[in-house]
Amino acid sequence: NAGVMQNPRHLVRRRGQEARLRCSPMKGHSHVYWYRQLPEEGLKFMVYLQKENIIDESGMPKERFSAEFPKEGPSILRIQQVVRGDSAAYFCASSTFQGNTNEKLFFGSGTQLSVL
Amino acid sequence: GQQVMQIPQYQHVQEGEDFTTYCNSSTTLSNIQWYKQRPGGHPVFLIQLVKSGEVKKQKRLTFQFGEAKKNSSLHITATQTTDVGTYFCAGLSGSARQLTFGSGTQLTVLP
Repeated sequence: NAGVMQNPRHLVRRRGQEARLRCSPMKGHSHVYWYRQLPEEGLKFMVYLQKENIIDESGMPKERFSAEFPKEGPSILRIQQVVRGDSAAYFCASSTFQGNTNEKLFFGSGTQLSVL
Repeated sequence: GQQVMQIPQYQHVQEGEDFTTYCNSSTTLSNIQWYKQRPGGHPVFLIQLVKSGEVKKQKRLTFQFGEAKKNSSLHITATQTTDVGTYFCAGLSGSARQLTFGSGTQLTVLP
């Protein structure tokens, strides 16, 4: 059973470039969450998506950041015109959300973004 | 908005000592989950608590959910070096559609 797959594992970008982070949820999961983690800090929620829909993007900066989860293919977190402050680990998680009880999250191994 | 506070931020213990981390929410939670992240790794689900006053055990780990469903704790008895990592609580409340994570407690176990 493949878990949550994220790629690339490490991504180096220069200031002003674009970063694209990919996440394939676990088989059968239709809910994807993106979190950002700075060294020795907690997980900051960014965005929650279902297939073809953004459910909650309250944690995602309105400028330069976007996310999608198309009908086919992985979820993409896109950061345009990266700045040094975007350097962080970005984790994707997936779940099967049923009713009002939040199911547990399965996390990917993360993408470490470094902006030079 | 919902806030989840976790203390302590860091804890160093000698192997064999006990360890406890505490989680407090600004709002009543419908459930709380606990995750463990090993150094350099990703968070891994440990357990979910739903009922007021609930207590669950996993070997040396004991999880509690407060009566008011606003706080929780994780207690590890007789720590081992394999317990090293950061422990996060994560809560869901009200109309929130996603979990709010605490800041985590980083546990170091000295051999």
